[in-house]
Formats: sequence, C-alpha cells, structure tokens
Amino acid sequence: DQQVKQNSPSLSVQEGRISILNCDYTNSMFDYFLWYKKYPAEGPTFLISISSIKDKNEDGRFTVFLNKSAKHLSLHIVPSQPGDSAVYFCAPWPTPSYGQNFVFGPGTRLSVLP
Amino acid sequence: NAGVMQNPRHLVRRRGQEARLRCSPMKGHSHVYWYRQLPEEGLKFMVYLQKENIIDESGMPKERFSAEFPKEGPSILRIQQVVRGDSAAYFCASSPISRGNIQYFGAGTRLSVL
Repeated sequence: DQQVKQNSPSLSVQEGRISILNCDYTNSMFDYFLWYKKYPAEGPTFLISISSIKDKNEDGRFTVFLNKSAKHLSLHIVPSQPGDSAVYFCAPWPTPSYGQNFVFGPGTRLSVLP
Repeated sequence: NAGVMQNPRHLVRRRGQEARLRCSPMKGHSHVYWYRQLPEEGLKFMVYLQKENIIDESGMPKERFSAEFPKEGPSILRIQQVVRGDSAAYFCASSPISRGNIQYFGAGTRLSVL
C-alpha cells in the first residue's frame, strides 16, 4: 500500500539548471506536506513545506508546488548547486482524524553535476 | 541547543542477541518518532511516542520490537532476538508538537546483525 510515490529514484542535473522532483500521493487525508533532504550517514533535515490551502510556497532557491486535485506536488530547485546532491523525501502529514501514521516517500537521489 | 542525539551510531549484534537503541530528543521536545531505513529503501515509520505514552505503533513489527519514552531519560527502541533482516539504519526524530510541525532527526543508528 504505497500512499506516497516518488517515481524517479534518481535524477541528474547540470549545475545552474533547474531540478524538479515529483511526489504523488493517494490519500486525500493528507493536508500538509514537507520535503526533507538527506545526506549519506546523516539524518534527514527539513527543507520546505506547504499547506493544502496553498498551491505554492517559495523559500530562496526552493519552491514547492501543490496540485490537490491531481494529488501531486513537486519541488523545484533553481539554480541547482553541487551541494544540493542528496536524497529528497516527500513527507505528507495526515489530518488529525486520520491518525498519526507518518509516511515518507521512497526518496529521489539528486545528483548535481558541476 | 543540542540536536537529536542517537547512540550508538553503529551497533553490531549476533543473531539472537538484543539491540537497544537510544534517542535523546531536542530540548523542549516531547514527541519522539522512530523510523527504519532498509538498504536502498525509504524511511518507514515505526512508532510515535510522547512522554510515558505510545501514541501510534502501527509501523512496529508485532514481535520482538518495543519502544518506550520514560518520564526521565532517553527514548529506547529495543529489538529482542535480532535477525539478519533487522539490519538497517534506525532514525529517531523529535518535535515540540505533533501536527504540522517539523521533525528534527538524529544521525541514526546503523544496526548490523551478523
């Protein structure tokens, strides 16, 4: 039962170009979405989030877009930098009535080539 | 303000032994989450605890695994009679409140079962 899908296990992008990471979910009970970044041998760190009442949230080089009707969100990084090379996890947050089962997507490994 | 502290960072056990993984949340955080990451897979939720209470253990295997978060001291994830399939990275995260809030992750404990 894969509630969250990140269909690209890996992505390679040239430095300076845009990176687009996608996330699809099936459960309409998710109402808040977070993106985490993870370097090898470290724990995930929070990157950016978006509430379901918005369709876009921007923080510097990072922008997250949410399409609720399509149950799809995407993370845009522009311009991409070599330090952005990491695994990115999409993590939807359930509404209180759904419970507290926290789901992470399988992750997308981004490689930014110099 | 120290981050989430997990120890040990690496733990080697033989089949049948017990593994105890410790997690000290960030100061002021009363919510703790445990996740497991198997090789080449994403993060899988295991259990969510508040002080002295297990809130959601829906991701925890029914046998051999247990977790606690006592009034004093760190949260403990305990795996009895470990098997090779338990080999994974175990991450702990904490947050000040449960919903719509960032989880702060520790660096993880890498368990290897020989």
